Amino acid sequence: IVLTQSPATLSVSPGGRATLSCRASQSISSYLNWYQQKPGQAPRLLIYEASNRATGIPARFSGSGSGTDFTLTISSLEPEDFAVYYCQQRSSWPLLTFGPGTKVEIK
Amino acid sequence: QVQLVESGGGVVQPGRSLRLSCTASGFTFSSYGLHWVRQAPGKGLEWVAVISNDGRQKYNEDLKGRFTVSRDNAKNTLYLQMDSLRIEDTAVYYCANFQGGNFDYWGQGTLVIVSS
Repeated sequence: IVLTQSPATLSVSPGGRATLSCRASQSISSYLNWYQQKPGQAPRLLIYEASNRATGIPARFSGSGSGTDFTLTISSLEPEDFAVYYCQQRSSWPLLTFGPGTKVEIK
Repeated sequence: QVQLVESGGGVVQPGRSLRLSCTASGFTFSSYGLHWVRQAPGKGLEWVAVISNDGRQKYNEDLKGRFTVSRDNAKNTLYLQMDSLRIEDTAVYYCANFQGGNFDYWGQGTLVIVSS
């Protein structure tokens, strides 16, 4: 299962809204997670099973979608949200796949 | 709390071998499958391998049999044996415990540099 993410880079002003897309090459139901990664750090789980916020994740992060098309929305970007975001599919568990990532940068 | 600590990274010449370790604590090691994920410098995340709690292994097909994952439940340690290393294997290697839902833990990673 191949995941594609768009855009590769997203320039957003602080306080702005970011919409990130992840598309799977075949249906993965809701077996889609989103991660945030900052330089020098391991990835951090944001959203699991497409739409569930992980523990401690602020409400400004939300996920939606099922089948092949998924979206991560950050409603109002805080300075700490500028990072790279990856989607991950678990439909073929235990084999996993990550998308290539979307970098959210300051506009 | 769950902790995963990788070790064993370093500089190695192309064609040589290296074994990474991941020492775990904070959970019942023998009950969980564990994964290796890598990240080349400036690149994205790439899933490498998984070993189930009872030792069954699955691999990224792109690695073409050069990597072997194993575990020692008595030592709470996960291993990744990497043979015939290539320059393109240069990456930070993470071990991770993915169990679904919120149960999602990563180590801090260990850097492997393949260079002559």
